Amino acid sequence: QVQLVQSGAEVKKPGSSVKVSCKASGGTFSDYAISWVRQAPGQGLEWMGRTIAILGIAHYAQKFQGRVTITADKSTSTAYMELSSLRSEDTAVYYCSGSMTYPFDHWGQGTLVTVSS
Amino acid sequence: DIVMTQTPLSLSVSPGQPASISCKSSQSLLHSDGKTYLYWYLQKAGQPPQLLISEVSNRFSGVPDRFSGSGAGTDFTLKISRVEAEDVGVYYCMQSIQLPLYTFGQGTKLEIK
Repeated sequence: QVQLVQSGAEVKKPGSSVKVSCKASGGTFSDYAISWVRQAPGQGLEWMGRTIAILGIAHYAQKFQGRVTITADKSTSTAYMELSSLRSEDTAVYYCSGSMTYPFDHWGQGTLVTVSS
Repeated sequence: DIVMTQTPLSLSVSPGQPASISCKSSQSLLHSDGKTYLYWYLQKAGQPPQLLISEVSNRFSGVPDRFSGSGAGTDFTLKISRVEAEDVGVYYCMQSIQLPLYTFGQGTKLEIK
């Protein structure tokens, strides 16, 4: 059974960056895509981008192009999402999600990122 | 980009009664491989979403058979035959035909009367 465990909550200043991790256990990390999905308070789900470790590539939603970087470290089965130039609108819960058989069939617990001066 | 539109945005259903949520996509989700890439997720309060239905109508592992999905092309429906208290939450449809891009619907909040 695959489990995804994310790093803890973060509080950041506007203009700074945040890096959230997502460690996978079980399964073969390199074989599946890891996406990042965010959810602002009281809002819906927003896909940000994904990486496939075995291919070493990432794709991003146009909205986040140039501001987000998604990477994966096969040696530690950990994926990362770094978001830069933070603004208050980036305050959200950030989820990693693995697509083993189907899109988003496994999820991390979520990481709250608060952007506040 | 494909836009996913759900209706209604909220519904209140008595226990034991049926519920239905519609999801319409701005483009057909039927791929040339014959599959239709439409999924349904449920997000309960304080939890990450969970996959309910894959490729229009296939219940994911452990999903009760009171949940069913149907539809084709651009019009899809999620039905709950008899709503239970544990079904409360927000339901999202999602398309993945436009890989590597994914799009979610706005969500439909289900409450119990």
